[in-house]
This record gives sequence, structure tokens and C-alpha cells, in this order.
Amino acid sequence: NAGVTQTPKFQVLKTGQSMTLQCAQDMNHNSMYWYRQDPGMGLRLIYYSASEGTTDKGEVPNGYNVSRLNKREFSLRLESAAPSQTSVYFCASSPPTRVTQYFGPGTRLTVL
Amino acid sequence: AQKITQTQPGMFVQEKEAVTLDCTYDTSDQSYGLFWYKQPSSGEMIFLIYQGSYDEQNATEGRYSLNFQKARKSANLVISASQLGDSAMYFCAMRNDYKLSFGAGTTVTVRA
Repeated sequence: NAGVTQTPKFQVLKTGQSMTLQCAQDMNHNSMYWYRQDPGMGLRLIYYSASEGTTDKGEVPNGYNVSRLNKREFSLRLESAAPSQTSVYFCASSPPTRVTQYFGPGTRLTVL
Repeated sequence: AQKITQTQPGMFVQEKEAVTLDCTYDTSDQSYGLFWYKQPSSGEMIFLIYQGSYDEQNATEGRYSLNFQKARKSANLVISASQLGDSAMYFCAMRNDYKLSFGAGTTVTVRA
């Protein structure tokens, strides 16, 4: 039981490049989330998927797209990376009761 | 919009003593959930404790307890018998529907 896994752990991009961050959970959770964490700040919600087949914007969605590929997987895509997207990205999932969210280990992304 | 305020950027506590981390929130919703997460220097997000807005009793999980004062909109975390391993950043968060909003965090340093 791996919980929530994220790939890659680290990534360096040049401005304008694109990439996809992958997230998978093996807890059979319906809901999945993408957050970003900037230095000295709490996490901010980028997008979430309440259930398979649905996605919704969070607090800071600009510059990102998401895909809920199936119940297990929820990917985050940066189409044209910008230095302002340098951050640590966390994926999370939650059960139907939503009494907690389980987080992945994070992806540290640097955009030069 | 949900807002979480953590007014203590950093705190020092002596080993084996208790420490209280402050958290206030602002919401007009009747149904919501309050969470505390720990983020050690390794970066992962560790769930500590949950309090539902309709829960009449304060939540407790081992050495962690949540002092929930609904009328004052506060959800303070109390860590009893501090240990060196408690040194970390602590985040208060509030869930409304599927969205989780985080405070800026409080850094706790436990001294031997």
C-alpha cells in the first residue's frame, strides 16, 4: 500500500517548456487534489477532482491544466512553464468522508 | 472566501513542555472541517488531527489535542510533552466542501 505517489521528485525546466506531473493513489479514494507550496507559505489549491470524470479550479489555476485519467491517477500539466511556477507541488487524495487528505511526497519544480 | 490565520511565525518550546499553536478562521458556512498538519524539514505533509464543525467534543489524537472554540472561530493545536521530533512547521487548514485552505504556518523548535 504505497498511498499517494508522485513523479518526478525533482524537475528543472526552462521558461516555455511543458511538462506533466503524475500522481497516483492506491487507496480507492474518490477525490484528488493538486497544491503548490511557495517558500514561507501554506499550500494553495490549484485544481481538484471530486470524483472520476470531474475537475474544478481551485485558488490558483492559471497556467495549469489537469486530467483525471481514472480513479487512481490525476495529472497536472504546465503547458508553457514560467519562473513564477517554481514551487513544490503536492498531490493529495481523500476518502468520501473527507475527514483528512493524504499527501504525496511532493515534486520540487524549478523554472529557469 | 475562506481565510485561515496563524499569527505565530515561530515558537520555541522546552522538551517535555506543552505548546499551543494558534489558529483562527473566517467562514460563513455552517458545515466545515478543521485540520492540523505537520511538515518536518524533509517536506512531507503529515496529518495530525481533525475537528468537524458539528463535533461537540474537542478532538484528541495521542499528544495532540484541538481546542475548538466555535463562537470565537478558533482551532488551536495543543502539543503536550514536546519531543525533539516535534520540531517542524505546523499548518492549520479548513475544509469547505472539497476545498482545503491553509494558513501560513508556525515553525516550532523544541529545545533539549
